[in-house]
Amino acid sequence: EADIYQTPRYLVIGTGKKITLECSQTMGHDKMYWYQQDPGMELHLIHYSYGVNSTEKGDLSSESTVSRIRTEHFPLTLESARPSHTSQYLCASSDPPRDHIGLTANTGELFFGEGSRLTVL
Amino acid sequence: KNQVEQSPQSLIILEGKNCTLQCNYTVSPFSNLRWYKQDTGRGPVSLTIMTFSENTKSNGRYTATLDADTKQSSLHITASQLSDSASYICVVSDRGSTLGRLYFGRGTQLTVWP
Repeated sequence: EADIYQTPRYLVIGTGKKITLECSQTMGHDKMYWYQQDPGMELHLIHYSYGVNSTEKGDLSSESTVSRIRTEHFPLTLESARPSHTSQYLCASSDPPRDHIGLTANTGELFFGEGSRLTVL
Repeated sequence: KNQVEQSPQSLIILEGKNCTLQCNYTVSPFSNLRWYKQDTGRGPVSLTIMTFSENTKSNGRYTATLDADTKQSSLHITASQLSDSASYICVVSDRGSTLGRLYFGRGTQLTVWP
């Protein structure tokens, strides 16, 4: 069972509010990710981190920001929420890549949190 | 363009029946293919992960197959249970980037009826 936790699970807020979605993992993984998922659609990578003090933007443009001050913690912040930010946000971490016949899978096993469902009114 | 296509989009079966979900991909260079199960309102959970040299892998009643030549994978569920109702997501990883980029399909929504 994965040891990765997200809070809050559900959040309903008004436009213009600042929110922070928390994500913590106790597996000691260096790589962590934030994905956005809308109903019936594929997951889109919005942020990732290789380790402490490393943060990168993903494929999908996002007005959110992230920080990685500690290995286990990867919070996502929206300074001013808008209705267009309404979505499911999934945090994930991956274990070290494993070699197979001399080739390295760059991303090991991916473990997801339960998600944070954000609704902005 | 690297893509992952899944079919069918949705599927309804009766409890106890078998079913097969399909995944076609164009991701290159290929590293591995994963199947995830996502219950409604929850995060995805890994079922199987296969590299190019593996053509079948089982996890209980779930059996995944991979044909790296035709770039197709299938997930077979045997003796379905009500708890199998979920979205099944195919994910393909490339090995051309440091990150090991993941390409997600939109999932197949499976509903198992009693």
